[in-house]
Amino acid sequence: QVQLQQWGAGLLKPSETLSLTCDVYGGSFSTYFCHWIRQPPGKGLEWIGDFTHSGITNYNPSLKSRVTISVNMSKKQLSLKMSSVTAADTAVYYCVIYNLDTVGMTDYWGQGTLVTVSS
Amino acid sequence: EIVLTQSPGTLSLSPGERATLSCRASQSVSSSSLAWYQQKPGQAPRLLIYIASSRATGIPDRFSGSGSGTDFTLTISRLEPEDFAVYYCQQYGSSPYTFGQGTKLEIK
Repeated sequence: QVQLQQWGAGLLKPSETLSLTCDVYGGSFSTYFCHWIRQPPGKGLEWIGDFTHSGITNYNPSLKSRVTISVNMSKKQLSLKMSSVTAADTAVYYCVIYNLDTVGMTDYWGQGTLVTVSS
Repeated sequence: EIVLTQSPGTLSLSPGERATLSCRASQSVSSSSLAWYQQKPGQAPRLLIYIASSRATGIPDRFSGSGSGTDFTLTISRLEPEDFAVYYCQQYGSSPYTFGQGTKLEIK
């Protein structure tokens, strides 16, 4: 059974850098599709970016200049950094892993981290 | 960027009824790379359907997906009390992977 545990600062000031980490417990990390998704309070979902197991990262163009997604295979960690945050970045941030095997597709979500940007 | 438009915004039905949710894309979705998620209040979303019609692991067979190109449908054959939630479609055929705005399925 795969479990994701997120951690990182939940309160930031404008212009600071958001930094979140997702620890992955269980499973074979090297075959996963790793994503970050966010959800502003009371609103819908927004895809931030992903890290494929071929080592390629893809980012939402609306955030690309400020976002870095990385994976540490040895520590089984997925990380998100977003620079120069503003109030518009206030949201619940989720790390998500998708695993496709012979049974089918399974998704695993972190518990979500509410990041509030306020002066 | 592909824009996904879900309809209706809110759907009011009773347990036991059939629910039909629509997701329309602004351009064709590559390889039917369309997923459906369910989200309950205070919880993370859960994947229901991928590649337009394949059920994710552990999803009951009352959930089914169909469609291709620009028009996709999620059908819940017989609503259970736990099915009342918000549903999102997502295309992952071309980056950025975009979501629809959601359909709220509420108890009538």
